[in-house]
Amino acid sequence: QVQLQESGPGLVKPSQTLSLTCTVSGGSISSGTYYWSWIRQPAGKGLEWIGRMYTNGSTNYNPSLKSRVTISVDTSKNQFSLKLSSVTAADTAIYYCARSYYYGSGSMSWFDPWGQGTLVTVSS
Amino acid sequence: DIVMTQSPDSLPVSLGERATINCKSSQSVLYSSNNKNYLAWYQQKPGQPPKLLIYWASTRESGVPDRFSGSGSGTDFTLTISSLQAEDVAVYYCQQYYSTLYTFGQGTKLEIK
Repeated sequence: QVQLQESGPGLVKPSQTLSLTCTVSGGSISSGTYYWSWIRQPAGKGLEWIGRMYTNGSTNYNPSLKSRVTISVDTSKNQFSLKLSSVTAADTAIYYCARSYYYGSGSMSWFDPWGQGTLVTVSS
Repeated sequence: DIVMTQSPDSLPVSLGERATINCKSSQSVLYSSNNKNYLAWYQQKPGQPPKLLIYWASTRESGVPDRFSGSGSGTDFTLTISSLQAEDVAVYYCQQYYSTLYTFGQGTKLEIK
């Protein structure tokens, strides 16, 4: 079964760029059947979808973060990545990667599975 | 944005009793062309990622106990646990996938009374 695992620095300084990678195992990220998303959750709070990408490189982003977010894919490593620029303390959260189904352009579905999540703290 | 509002925020329920969590969307998530409600439910236990329970508002994910059920249509949805077990203590979230901007409810914390 497919498993996702996030990795990256746990501490980022304010104004710098947060960079995380999600490694997909048990299946190919290039299968064409799925979207790959990033979702975050501040401690003790709810879930916020950041953005998603398809294997052809097309992306959709949350408008509230769009100016600072880039999601990209490295099919050779079966990974996709998140970059969030100009971070502040408000970006401190657990960051999850997750998969959703692709059944045509613009298709929407639930998230399953999710990675275990990685805590990123923004602090000097 | 489609705003998802859950009620209550916290729900104490006795073991073996029924638990009911509500979720209301600010606009309909029923897609008329296929008559499907674009609504999912997740369970999140401390230190774990959310786990998918229900999709299409009422389809139980494989492996999810049948005490969990989802219902509703349009803007009003319900997650019901028919007989609460100790392992069901968690925070539950609804999520709409009708809009390209996915949004979640604020969560309902289910606890043992």
